[in-house]
Amino acid sequence: KAGVTQTPRYLIKTRGQQVTLSCSPISGHRSVSWYQQTPGQGLQFLFEYFSETQRNKGNFPGRFSGRQFSNSRSEMNVSTLELGDSALYLCASSVGGTTYNEQFFGPGTRLTVL
Amino acid sequence: AQSVTQLDSQVPVFEEAPVELRCNYSSSVSVYLFWYVQYPNQGLQLLLKYLSGSTLVKGINGFEAEFNKSQTSFHLRKPSVHISDTAEYFCAVSDERAAGNKLTFGGGTRVLVKP
Repeated sequence: KAGVTQTPRYLIKTRGQQVTLSCSPISGHRSVSWYQQTPGQGLQFLFEYFSETQRNKGNFPGRFSGRQFSNSRSEMNVSTLELGDSALYLCASSVGGTTYNEQFFGPGTRLTVL
Repeated sequence: AQSVTQLDSQVPVFEEAPVELRCNYSSSVSVYLFWYVQYPNQGLQLLLKYLSGSTLVKGINGFEAEFNKSQTSFHLRKPSVHISDTAEYFCAVSDERAAGNKLTFGGGTRVLVKP
């Protein structure tokens, strides 16, 4: 069974641009969550989608948005990039709707904002 | 709301020695508890989790953790580490009754295993 895949793996953008990151969950998984990892703030929850609906949202500005498609693939978008958005963005998928089920993480997309 | 504190940011340890990584949490509700490992340039991998039942939980790669409700702790241990255990370890919690897959992570502990 293929694991969680994230594309692209590395990305360099400049301030003010926008970016879209993609996550393909494990086949059969309906939940996709996104996390931001930085040296200063650690791992922070961004949002979670389950069956195309956003179910939970972390404390991030509205510049961070996401969506999930009918095949469970998910994208997250960051508009008007700031230097502080440089981070590793991790996506995790789960078969079910609660943390009772194991979440499987992808390798992440490393975003650098110049 | 929950919070997680990992008391050690770095732990150096010699190969074949035991290691303990400390994790304390704060929550007004019952929680599930998790330990994840992150190897360089990789995502997170679940080591073990506590959902209910026995407070001693065994995980992969010889790791185990003990849930202590009165001390709100969930410390991770391994009796004998290998060079390959060099990685960053994250403790995490989630609200037991909340819908969804939101995890709250601690700041991480870097384990460096020396030969």
